[in-house]
Amino acid sequence: DAKTTQPNSMESNEEEPVHLPCNHSTISGTDYIHWYRQLPSQGPEYVIHGLTSNVNNRMASLAIAEDRKSSTLILHRATLRDAAVYYCILRNNFGNEKLTFGTGTRLTIIP
Amino acid sequence: DAGVTQSPTHLIKTRGQQVTLRCSPKSGHDTVSWYQQALGQGPQFIFQYYEEEERQRGNFPDRFSGHQFPNYSSELNVNALLLGDSALYLCASSWPSGSRTEQFFGPGTRLTVL
Repeated sequence: DAKTTQPNSMESNEEEPVHLPCNHSTISGTDYIHWYRQLPSQGPEYVIHGLTSNVNNRMASLAIAEDRKSSTLILHRATLRDAAVYYCILRNNFGNEKLTFGTGTRLTIIP
Repeated sequence: DAGVTQSPTHLIKTRGQQVTLRCSPKSGHDTVSWYQQALGQGPQFIFQYYEEEERQRGNFPDRFSGHQFPNYSSELNVNALLLGDSALYLCASSWPSGSRTEQFFGPGTRLTVL
């Protein structure tokens, strides 16, 4: 499985944008970039995914580098409820491939 | 929609015992995956069931087995429990394939092996 590299932890002030980076230099052409997050005492939840183009949804935006070797999850206005561990995962979307989690980035939101 | 449900919430067992964990998928989903999450680590894939058969398996010993029922619910069985099996066990459900492949996770079952 292609691997991803994320910072262990990040802090951000409440109501400010947050940019969570992810490096995936060995990504293959068929790998999609998925982001999940895990709030305290909960199972992971899907945030967003993309292949080549930038993506937006109600939760976040995903910016993908032109060479696809890195990506950034953007939370436009962080709230205390966004405090979680964020996982960047490469996944082949053919079939229902397993999710391979790393250790993720623990995001702390400062009030 | 109740989402993915798991039972029990917590469980305490002793070494050598056997345990069965249960999962009901989100309405409309027919694929169930199981993950093990040790403290401070990301979830690790155990196996996936679709059409009552194991379709994918991670790097876990045969002590870990599973089953999927006709109503798509699933069980995870662990035999001969070891202290290292203490973890949060997560169930995730999804559609079988295609573009809608996000997985929906339950809250997990916390297993403690003494």
